[in-house]
Amino acid sequence: ETGVTQTPRHLVMGMTNKKSLKCEQHLGHNAMYWYKQSAKKPLELMFVYNFKEQTENNSVPSRFSPECPNSSHLFLHLHTLQPEDSALYLCASSQNPGQGANSPLHFGNGTRLTVT
Amino acid sequence: KNEVEQSPQNLTAQEGEFITINCSYSVGISALHWLQQHPGGGIVSLFMLSSGKKKHGRLIATINIQEKHSSLHITASHPRDSAVYICAVNVDNDMRFGAGTRLTVKP
Repeated sequence: ETGVTQTPRHLVMGMTNKKSLKCEQHLGHNAMYWYKQSAKKPLELMFVYNFKEQTENNSVPSRFSPECPNSSHLFLHLHTLQPEDSALYLCASSQNPGQGANSPLHFGNGTRLTVT
Repeated sequence: KNEVEQSPQNLTAQEGEFITINCSYSVGISALHWLQQHPGGGIVSLFMLSSGKKKHGRLIATINIQEKHSSLHITASHPRDSAVYICAVNVDNDMRFGAGTRLTVKP
């Protein structure tokens, strides 16, 4: 049990589809993050939410749209994706903002996304 | 060039061997992390270091701030240690990741 739950674990979608990834944490953390992990590349930060407010958008294309309705839930809405968007999408949370600088990151198991 | 470099990229060992994974970074940092990523994708934080050495079970992490270098050691390695080990550093409130070292421990 990681404390951070992501669904679905696997997702295959066409380029014209619209889907959403979900992340849930019940650790009482105040910061949540979306990362992208492509094959043989380092993790890339996509979005940061601190106290439900988006504080960072790392030049992510608009076909990725995050939503944080409350401090426990984070979504990543996907539409008109490209095959190069196929990757593992990881959600993480931390007690305090700072991406691990002030409190450890807790990761979910990720959603393996394939865009056909 | 990535600001965080790990070596080796891939490592295969026999059960029981002593393992060392290295991480070098080129920026000023406030902390360094070692993460373990299991084949299913989930990532677990192993250590957070700002100086010296930490030990947890068979895992030891060291950091040399002056040389901008850290090592992760695994003693008496076991097949269940097979995973990708990722080094990451905090630069202000940002985190920079290495590409990972894929470790396979054979029985």
